[in-house]
Amino acid sequence: QVQLQESGPGLVKPSETLSLTCAVSGYSISSGYYWGWIRQPPGKGLEWIGSIYHSGSTYYNPSLKSRVTISVDTSKNQFSLKLSSVTAADTAVYYCARLPPGNSGYWGQGTLVTVSS
Amino acid sequence: QTVVTQEPSLTVSPGGTVTLTCASSTGAVTSGYYPNWFQQKPGQAPRALIYSTSNKHSWTPARFSGSLLGGKAALTLSGVQPEDEAEYYCLLYYGGQVVFGGGTKLTVL
Repeated sequence: QVQLQESGPGLVKPSETLSLTCAVSGYSISSGYYWGWIRQPPGKGLEWIGSIYHSGSTYYNPSLKSRVTISVDTSKNQFSLKLSSVTAADTAVYYCARLPPGNSGYWGQGTLVTVSS
Repeated sequence: QTVVTQEPSLTVSPGGTVTLTCASSTGAVTSGYYPNWFQQKPGQAPRALIYSTSNKHSWTPARFSGSLLGGKAALTLSGVQPEDEAEYYCLLYYGGQVVFGGGTKLTVL
């Protein structure tokens, strides 16, 4: 079955860059689908950050676009998120997931990233 | 900025039926928006229930069903169980862009 696992630092200082990686098992990213990142601030709803296709084409949330980069490494079957110039407002649980269109709905367990000095 | 709207809260009795909806600020929701539905319980990651309007995952209980209803995406729970009390989110796909609804808090009382 398809499994996703996020990894990366749980604490990032303000103004620095948040970096996370999502390792995918049970399915080859090169075979298709969009893969992406979603976040959820404490006590709030879900926010889509961006998506990437295996070819490298990307879509980003317009509200975050200037600070976000998503990349894919098909040789390692993983994809990554970089969010620059973080502030306390970026504190959230970050999830990676397989996204629409198609048989989507596979999510990682999430990783809490706190922005604090 | 596209907005996806869900009912903030709904209450249903055990054994009852309830329908949650998901509307788009751009107009009627169609299958081309690939509506997805997720269930989230406190302290847990969201769990996917429905994809592409009405398709269930292998783990989705039979009492959950997805459809299009009156220009919106809909999630219907039939024979509601106490364990269905949770937050439910919809997702719509806009040709690459993805937007989540604000969530519906479902209370089983």
